[in-house]
Amino acid sequence: ETGVTQSPTHLIKTRGQQVTLRCSSQSGHNTVSWYQQALGQGPQFIFQYYREEENGRGNFPPRFSGLQFPNYSSELNVNALELDDSALYLCASSLVGRGIQYFGAGTRLSVL
Amino acid sequence: QQQVKQSPQSLIVQKGGISIINCAYENTAFDYFPWYQQFPGKGPALLIAIRPDVSEKKEGRFTISFNKSAKQFSLHIMDSQPGDSATYFCAASHENSGGSNYKLTFGKGTLLTVNP
Repeated sequence: ETGVTQSPTHLIKTRGQQVTLRCSSQSGHNTVSWYQQALGQGPQFIFQYYREEENGRGNFPPRFSGLQFPNYSSELNVNALELDDSALYLCASSLVGRGIQYFGAGTRLSVL
Repeated sequence: QQQVKQSPQSLIVQKGGISIINCAYENTAFDYFPWYQQFPGKGPALLIAIRPDVSEKKEGRFTISFNKSAKQFSLHIMDSQPGDSATYFCAASHENSGGSNYKLTFGKGTLLTVNP
């Protein structure tokens, strides 16, 4: 186990709704990254948070947003859900300056 | 644009055999190359990683071979076991100017099946 926990495990939403996913990072880790993994694909980087600020963003629209809290936990928010947003959303925590990222088990989002 | 290309897409080996998965990258700024193992319903788990200052790294039955000039790296699983059956992802990253970790760029994955 990596010590990275994500909630909820599964989520079903309808198109147009909004969703919030949560992540608790491994103890002592101060950087959180979010990835989207479509079925049969590798994870795609959404964004990273460090010191409660966005520290890099992948090719995702602004309706994907996030937060990092003082205890280093994080949220991923997605507005105006689309069918293509159906995927496994992964959170990874790491220490600043270290290359290793540890992943949680993910949240499976289904958009109907 | 896919910056990390992984092959094969799927691989079947017999128990005790050697599994080999290959990756190629384009961005010469990459300086960290991890391999992740993912079982169904689980998140990716770090298996082994290498930096470009070495050509090979071995941990147990898992070995990474790295060819900087060819911009290629590979994972070798010796004495493959049925429990190794999973999806394997290569990845690459580089630190941004701020010194914090930056994104991991993943390959598309290889589904490994080890037959008993």
